[in-house]
Amino acid sequence: QLQLQTSGPGLVKPSETLSLTCIVSGGSISSANYYWGWIRQPPGRGLEWIGNIYYSGSTYYNRSLESRVTISIDMSKNQFSLQLSSVTAADTAVYYCASPYYYGSGSMGPFDPWGQGTLVTVSS
Amino acid sequence: SYKLTQPPSVSVSPGQTATITCSGNELGDKYACWYQQQPGQSPVLVIYQDSKRPSGIPERFSGSNSGNTATLTISGTQAMDEADYYCQAWDYNTAVFGGGTKLTVL
Repeated sequence: QLQLQTSGPGLVKPSETLSLTCIVSGGSISSANYYWGWIRQPPGRGLEWIGNIYYSGSTYYNRSLESRVTISIDMSKNQFSLQLSSVTAADTAVYYCASPYYYGSGSMGPFDPWGQGTLVTVSS
Repeated sequence: SYKLTQPPSVSVSPGQTATITCSGNELGDKYACWYQQQPGQSPVLVIYQDSKRPSGIPERFSGSNSGNTATLTISGTQAMDEADYYCQAWDYNTAVFGGGTKLTVL
């Protein structure tokens, strides 16, 4: 059974780069059946999709964050990572990694499972 | 950009049926899914492909999707169902979430 676990610092200074890693267990990150994604949730607010990556390296990003986001994949460690540059207080949120199933032919499925989430606070 | 709209809150009495809607342009042409989020926890998938239930999700959870509206229905609502619920769909390769609905069981 696929499991995801997020790791990374809980505090980032303004203007710096937020970096998080999601470790995948119970399955291979090189599986053709899954994309690997990041979603965030500011305190008291709703879910915001950040982006996805496929094992081939193909990425899709939320247009509102695209200029600051990089998602990468490390098959040797069975993990994928998020980098968000030039952060401000508005980037304070719980960051989740989650895996949307890929049915093929461009058809995406639901996010399942989700990691436990990491609260990242942007503050000096 | 594509947008999904949910009511901010829905209230239901225990044992009654709760209905949560999610509206989007021609949403019925896409697959909708629903997540339940308890306070302080990660979201959990409760409905996918409009009406399918993942293993372990109680039968009282059901879904439908037609026209511009997807609907999550909880029959015989229990106190444990009190949570935030989010709909989600794909607009090409972009994931879109609704704003969330807080379900209160009182």
